[in-house]
Amino acid sequence: GAGVSQSPSNKVTEKGKDVELRCDPISGHTALYWYRQSLGQGLEFLIYFQGNSAPDKSGLPSDRFSAERTGGSVSTLTIQRTQQEDSAVYLCASSTGPSSGNTIYFGEGSWLTVV
Amino acid sequence: DQQVKQNSPSLSVQEGRISILNCDYTNSMFDYFLWYKKYPAEGPTFLISISSIKDKNEDGRFTVFLNKSAKHLSLHIVPSQPGDSAVYFCAASRNRDDKIIFGKGTRLHILP
Repeated sequence: GAGVSQSPSNKVTEKGKDVELRCDPISGHTALYWYRQSLGQGLEFLIYFQGNSAPDKSGLPSDRFSAERTGGSVSTLTIQRTQQEDSAVYLCASSTGPSSGNTIYFGEGSWLTVV
Repeated sequence: DQQVKQNSPSLSVQEGRISILNCDYTNSMFDYFLWYKKYPAEGPTFLISISSIKDKNEDGRFTVFLNKSAKHLSLHIVPSQPGDSAVYFCAASRNRDDKIIFGKGTRLHILP
């Protein structure tokens, strides 16, 4: 597709279970971001991949969160042993990197509810 | 530590008037700033940006002003239209190759 694609769009999971959220960035985009937005909160930075550089993981809230980006394209965000406070919209974004002026394009998000 | 601050959670403006959304930042290393708009159940969309070498950037009804000494930027929308009702996020990065940090957003209501 033309835009950033995320799946699943909605996920309800039981506390303690692991979840995987997937992001397909715009073709050719070298930079990929994960953010989350909890109810009533802003966009919280989680992790940033840029080309072949080591990812910036400084926003991951705990070691239960991890993300990988395979082949410089698709990314998966994994949350292990989910907690209720993990309930949020998880937003993926991509950009062409510095050449684009760092304008990033967001997907529609994956809504995660932990019950 | 909130590096990008939007201190007004919401703002109501009459249709046709000017909307002014404010943003403050604490990191003096930030040199690139962006505004994003978000409708419910959609991802944020890019609105306008400004580099620290400028103090103003205009695009149609939208103008962003940057005051580096005060570490403050603002988004002006004039005239405001009903479709402008949304949440507006201010964002900043240290350079064009660094992660983008967002504020908490301001919900703008355009009143008929």
